[in-house]
Amino acid sequence: GDSVTQTEGLVTVTEGLPVKLNCTYQTTYLTIAFFWYVQYLNEAPQVLLKSSTDNKRTEHQGFHATLHKSSSSFHLQKSSAQLSDSALYYCALSDGSGYQNFYFGKGTSLTVIP
Amino acid sequence: GGIITQTPKFLIGQEGQKLTLKCQQNFNHDTMYWYRQDSGKGLRLIYYSITENDLQKGDLSEGYDASREKKSSFSLTVTSAQKNEMAVFLCASSIWGGGGAETLYFGSGTRLTVL
Repeated sequence: GDSVTQTEGLVTVTEGLPVKLNCTYQTTYLTIAFFWYVQYLNEAPQVLLKSSTDNKRTEHQGFHATLHKSSSSFHLQKSSAQLSDSALYYCALSDGSGYQNFYFGKGTSLTVIP
Repeated sequence: GGIITQTPKFLIGQEGQKLTLKCQQNFNHDTMYWYRQDSGKGLRLIYYSITENDLQKGDLSEGYDASREKKSSFSLTVTSAQKNEMAVFLCASSIWGGGGAETLYFGSGTRLTVL
């Protein structure tokens, strides 16, 4: 079956420095969409980025990600981390196989320190 | 825009107790989901429903029941709470896009503690 891997459970970065959260995936389907969800403390997860186009950069709220099907990756990056970016981040894919077709990574907790 | 409301926000139960979590959405979405969130384990699907009165089991359905009596609401029941269990239960909804589920929209969760 499909799977999403987030290699880091915890990431700490200093304010103003770049940050990269890794996401790789396995799927046998061609119709796939990728998401980054962000969950702030005591809030609902919300979509941060969505992409289904290979090699196209997607940006939102200063974050960006590019889907690379050749390497099965959809890493999340930001050039300058802010204290307000501290949150839990989930990478997910939707493979179009049916209603039960969202696959989430285990999540990366990002902490930005002054 | 719409909103997903989960009640209660906090739920404390006793071992063996039957506990019910409720979810309401005003997006007018057809599909609704219940996920369990455990630290380091991601989001795991418990039940989903593609329309009113439809119920489908996810990978984590054992120990849970669900009910979808209206399009806007989806309830989850823990049939027998396990001692020392702690988890967050997230409700979500989406449009069914034909070629795949569209973006999931989540509620802020119900935090369960079993004493």
